[in-house]
Amino acid sequence: QSALTQPASVSGSPGQSITISCTGTTSDIGAFYYVSWYQQQPGKAPQLILYDVTNRPSGVSHRFSGSRSGSTASLTISGLQTEDEADYFCCSYTSRSTFVFGPGTKVSVL
Amino acid sequence: QVQLQESGPGLVKPSETLSLTCTVSGGSISDSFWSWVRQPPGKGLEWIANIHYKGDTYYNPSLEGRVAISLDTSKSECSLKLGSVTAADTAVYFCVRLNRYGGGWSVFDNWGQGTLVTVSS
Repeated sequence: QSALTQPASVSGSPGQSITISCTGTTSDIGAFYYVSWYQQQPGKAPQLILYDVTNRPSGVSHRFSGSRSGSTASLTISGLQTEDEADYFCCSYTSRSTFVFGPGTKVSVL
Repeated sequence: QVQLQESGPGLVKPSETLSLTCTVSGGSISDSFWSWVRQPPGKGLEWIANIHYKGDTYYNPSLEGRVAISLDTSKSECSLKLGSVTAADTAVYFCVRLNRYGGGWSVFDNWGQGTLVTVSS
């Protein structure tokens, strides 16, 4: 199975909004609503920030939002803050009952 | 709050078998699927396998044939074995709970701290 596609890096100034794309196929993102996003700080385990494309777990900031169009999912971070600097990974369920991750996007706050 | 703790050798020789154990505490191992995800140094995440307490297992096709996941519900442990390892299997290995938030089993919502396994002679 092929990994999902994400930009290597995205940057923005404090207060701005940024969007990270995650492109898959009609066998994963395009077929299921089971796309999740994870934030990983250096040296730490990933943490869930969005699930089922648009849903935020309890405790996750409303500045994180998600969407999907066709086989591409997106994560938007609004009101960018320095604490948002991290790596972000998307993940999708697939038609083979497996999971596939994206390569990760490094977010920098300028 | 469920806590996951990985344990196992930090160094494995090429061609040998990597064996890791995840101890689940603070919750029931019979509530969810349990997964292993790995991350080579400086690289992205790779899903390895899932197992449900009823015995259903799912594997990454790229690793199938070398990997086995199992549960010991009496000990609240999830184990991973990966055979014929090479340097490419060097990674931080995470034990993860796969949960269902109303839809399908699709949410990796609880991660262990991870354990680094290096494959080297």
